[in-house]
Amino acid sequence: EAQVTQNPRYLITVTGKKLTVTCSQNMNHEYMSWYRQDPGLGLRQIYYSMNVEVTDKGDVPEGYKVSRKEKRNFPLILESPSPNQTSLYFCASSSGEQGGYTFGSGTRLTVV
Amino acid sequence: AQSVSQHNHHVILSEAASLELGCNYSYGGTVNLFWYVQYPGQHLQLLLKYFSGDPLVKGIKGFEAEFIKSKFSFNLRKPSVQWSDTAEYFCAVKDSGGYQKVTFGTGTKLQVIP
Repeated sequence: EAQVTQNPRYLITVTGKKLTVTCSQNMNHEYMSWYRQDPGLGLRQIYYSMNVEVTDKGDVPEGYKVSRKEKRNFPLILESPSPNQTSLYFCASSSGEQGGYTFGSGTRLTVV
Repeated sequence: AQSVSQHNHHVILSEAASLELGCNYSYGGTVNLFWYVQYPGQHLQLLLKYFSGDPLVKGIKGFEAEFIKSKFSFNLRKPSVQWSDTAEYFCAVKDSGGYQKVTFGTGTKLQVIP
């Protein structure tokens, strides 16, 4: 089944403790992206990647890092999480210019 | 920079009523347009998309949208809503070039009352 898999689904952590949210897609998509969803703000792009080793900042990249060492994986790294990063995070991938995004199931992160 | 406006934040309809959700975008170039739906507790799913050709686009579950270039609009419509359409709907715009930046609107919550 074609899908984008994120882990974990839920995470509660403390301020400053480094964490990684994994994202993997099995559709051989070139394009991958991370979004955060907050009430009243919709989805805001954090980082995106157009291919292996090609990443760039989205609209709200501060406090986040990403890497794209393999085509299928696009982990999101929070080096020192803060409470304002409490949010619902979605990973998405796309086959290219004519494709819409396929989204993962989301990761609900709470930073206390 | 591209932007998307969804003017209706919360819409309440009775079953069988007709639906129209507004979406306006701002961008100087050629765009691709999308509508996504997010059912409670779930991830976003693609409802329909416009890339070129016929400006009236039909999607899944009886939804359709019309691209009106002169008005920079891409409104979502459904003739008769069902309780199962209760969800949040997001309009999105993408630069039609190779750059994959997709900008989402803030969403419209639709509540359908049986």
